[in-house]
Amino acid sequence: AQSVTQLDSQVPVFEEAPVELRCNYSSSVSVYLFWYVQYPNQGLQLLLKYLSGSTLVKGINGFEAEFNKSQTSFHLRKPSVHISDTAEYFCAVSDLTGGFKTIFGAGTRLFVKA
Amino acid sequence: DAGVTQSPTHLIKTRGQQVTLRCSPKSGHDTVSWYQQALGQGPQFIFQYYEEEERQRGNFPDRFSGHQFPNYSSELNVNALLLGDSALYLCASSSLGTTQETQYFGPGTRLLVL
Repeated sequence: AQSVTQLDSQVPVFEEAPVELRCNYSSSVSVYLFWYVQYPNQGLQLLLKYLSGSTLVKGINGFEAEFNKSQTSFHLRKPSVHISDTAEYFCAVSDLTGGFKTIFGAGTRLFVKA
Repeated sequence: DAGVTQSPTHLIKTRGQQVTLRCSPKSGHDTVSWYQQALGQGPQFIFQYYEEEERQRGNFPDRFSGHQFPNYSSELNVNALLLGDSALYLCASSSLGTTQETQYFGPGTRLLVL
């Protein structure tokens, strides 16, 4: 079975500052890794995904994440945030044999201040 | 191309009632997954349908059931509603035949049980 831990429930940051949202996972098998964003009263939008290959993954809206197999981490980063990045961010995993069953973390609320 | 659509957007029910939520997948997708997202939490996997059969199931009681139609659309049924069933219900579609493991989420149905 897999599990996902998002280490920060809330991350306040000033506009134009860099940000890192931390995610650790556990699994006994190889996994796919994802970051989703959820704006208020909306569904989930895929930011980026790691399936295989390069461990640095670039996504939409200037976000990127790095897969670290030895530390079982998949932290999300952005070099300069905007007010519009204020949202809930979810890290998720799915195993290679489980189809699309996806396990989500509890979420990190990113709050960008002016 | 319409993405994943869900209906209704909001629903209010009382304890003990039954509810049916509907989902139309993105064009070209044949797999539908349902998730429950309680307030302040990450989505939790309920079950997944492919070829009109339940393919995987999460840790939810039998009160939660579903169906997939030949056109790949899906319904989620919840019987004997409890207050704790109040949540945002998300539908996600994907194509089982691809290797990219990408799910597309709908906007969700917000269910309130009084």
